[in-house]
Amino acid sequence: GESVGLHLPTLSVQEGDNSIINCAYSNSASDYFIWYKQESGKGPQFIIDIRSNMDKRQGQRVTVLLNKTVKHLSLQIAATQPGDSAVYFCAEKRGNTGFQKLVFGTGTRLLVSP
Amino acid sequence: AAGVIQSPRHLIKEKRETATLKCYPIPRHDTVYWYQQGPGQDPQFLISFYEKMQSDKGSIPDRFSAQQFSDYHSELNMSSLELGDSALYFCASSLGESAGVVETQYFGPGTRLLVL
Repeated sequence: GESVGLHLPTLSVQEGDNSIINCAYSNSASDYFIWYKQESGKGPQFIIDIRSNMDKRQGQRVTVLLNKTVKHLSLQIAATQPGDSAVYFCAEKRGNTGFQKLVFGTGTRLLVSP
Repeated sequence: AAGVIQSPRHLIKEKRETATLKCYPIPRHDTVYWYQQGPGQDPQFLISFYEKMQSDKGSIPDRFSAQQFSDYHSELNMSSLELGDSALYFCASSLGESAGVVETQYFGPGTRLLVL
């Protein structure tokens, strides 16, 4: 089976609850942040992004909050569903020039119980 | 919609052997990135290419090399394989970025490499 994420922090929620996944970043020069969802055996899937000149951005059932003061990022998932079960990574992109690599944070495993 | 294609999906090699991983980006994407993800770890950037030129380099061992071809597909060549090279290798693609414009990286399904 899939071994990615065995030792990751885990958040367990009930179906229908709201989930909040947190991420801290260290580089104040980072200007672009992305949340990815990784299901077992699959590549990271883009969920939502936010630029450093914003503090909130909403998508379908997801909201990303950015607090630059404390270098903190969060992903809120409304009405969590079993299909949301996966490992969630925040990633940051550094610099103002193009082709900058993504630097991933430690993932969080989300387990949704029916 | 077409996604990033990687081949092979699974690969088993012996120590000291070589391996070649292939990545076919989303149509019209001219930038590819390679990442390595060990068990229980986050993806680590290896190398990227834009218009067939290396655009950024991360923690890629000297035993590894990569290139991007005229059709924008990319290959990651790994030689003298070690047990520690066992990991998931992801390719991501994006449009080339212009000043002030950030392009989303879309990931492929990955190649799982096992070195015995």
